[in-house]
Formats: sequence, structure tokens, C-alpha cells
Amino acid sequence: GQNIDQPTEMTATEGAIVQINCTYQTSGFNGLFWYQQHAGEAPTFLSYNVLDGLEEKGRFSSFLSRSKGYSYLLLKELQMKDSASYLCAVPPHGGYQKVTFGTGTKLQVIP
Amino acid sequence: EPEVTQTPSHQVTQMGQEVILRCVPISNHLYFYWYRQILGQKVEFLVSFYNNEISEKSEIFDDQFSVERPDGSNFTLKIRSTKLEDSAMYFCASSEGSSGDTQYFGPGTRLTVL
Repeated sequence: GQNIDQPTEMTATEGAIVQINCTYQTSGFNGLFWYQQHAGEAPTFLSYNVLDGLEEKGRFSSFLSRSKGYSYLLLKELQMKDSASYLCAVPPHGGYQKVTFGTGTKLQVIP
Repeated sequence: EPEVTQTPSHQVTQMGQEVILRCVPISNHLYFYWYRQILGQKVEFLVSFYNNEISEKSEIFDDQFSVERPDGSNFTLKIRSTKLEDSAMYFCASSEGSSGDTQYFGPGTRLTVL
């Protein structure tokens, strides 16, 4: 089976940096997704990590450690529009298609 | 940029009625999915569809649900005899391939069962 843990809520200040952690346990591994979801909207793809290390994409970076079953999403220069839920998700492996989502971390950016 | 579209954006129905939620996946994608998100809860996988048949389904996807690709562009989710607990956001998604390929989500249909 697949299990994903991430904090429920976080608060950070506009202009600051925030790190959202995710730990996972999977029976097989085929990478890890991060999605952003604004309230009432669909999840939007942010990143996909399959190898260890940090991948940077503008203000957002994502890190993966396969040996530790751990990932984080780093958001820099926070903006008010970054207030959203951030979903850690594990894609299927072995030919399956079911993506398993964590419960998401609700980030509130304050002035 | 191509995107997944869904109609309607909001559907209100009476308990016991049937609803059909519609999706148009990205045109060159081969795998299609339905997910559900009950208010305040996590996104849950319902079903995946490939080559005109269901390739995987969750325990949620029982006989009350069915999916169909009636033509070359649409992908539908039918919910029969709706229940109050079916009220949720229903997201359609599509991907080029399976397994590690990114799944792109549509804007969702908010289903309210009264």
C-alpha cells in the first residue's frame, strides 16, 4: 500500500521562505508529485521528482530523498497568491494508474 | 496550452436521480481518470480508463458508477441513484502514458445532492 504524511496547516509571511515536508511509504516507487490546489479549484501540477536531490523551478523547488522516504517543497519570496493547499502525491508503479494523494498542507501567507 | 475541460461546473440534483458528468481530455492523451474530493478531504482516485476500457478502479467505484468514452473526444462519469454522500468535487484528469506520467486535471464539477 501507499501512505503519505504531511502537515495539515502552515502559516508564513509574505516575502519569506517556507518548506513543506512530506514523508511517504510505498510498496514500489515511481517518483513523487507536488500539486498546488487553491480552494474550490483543481490540483495544478508543480513538480515531479524521481531522482534524489533538489530540482528548482523559479520560486518553487522540490527535494527528494528516496532512502529516507522524504520530500519537501520549498517556496521562496512568498506572495499572497501562494496561499493554497499543497498536495504531495505518489504516482503508481508497475503499470498501474492510481495516484495516491496526501491530505495536503494548507498554507496561509500573511502580510 | 491544451487543457482538460469539464461540464457542467456545478450540478445540483435530487437524491436518487442519475447524473452524467462530462470531460474532454487533452487530445493526444491516452489515459483518462476520474477523482473525487469531498469538501475538506483529500483527493481520491475513482477510476482510470485506457483503450476504451477500465484499467483500474478503487473500492469507491462500485456498481453505482460507470464511465464511457462515447466519441473521440468526450469522457463521461455516470452516477446512478445519487446519494447525499456523493456530494463532492469530481475531477477529470488525463495523461499521455500511465505510471509516472503527469496527470493534468480539469477544473472539476461540483456535485450537490439534495
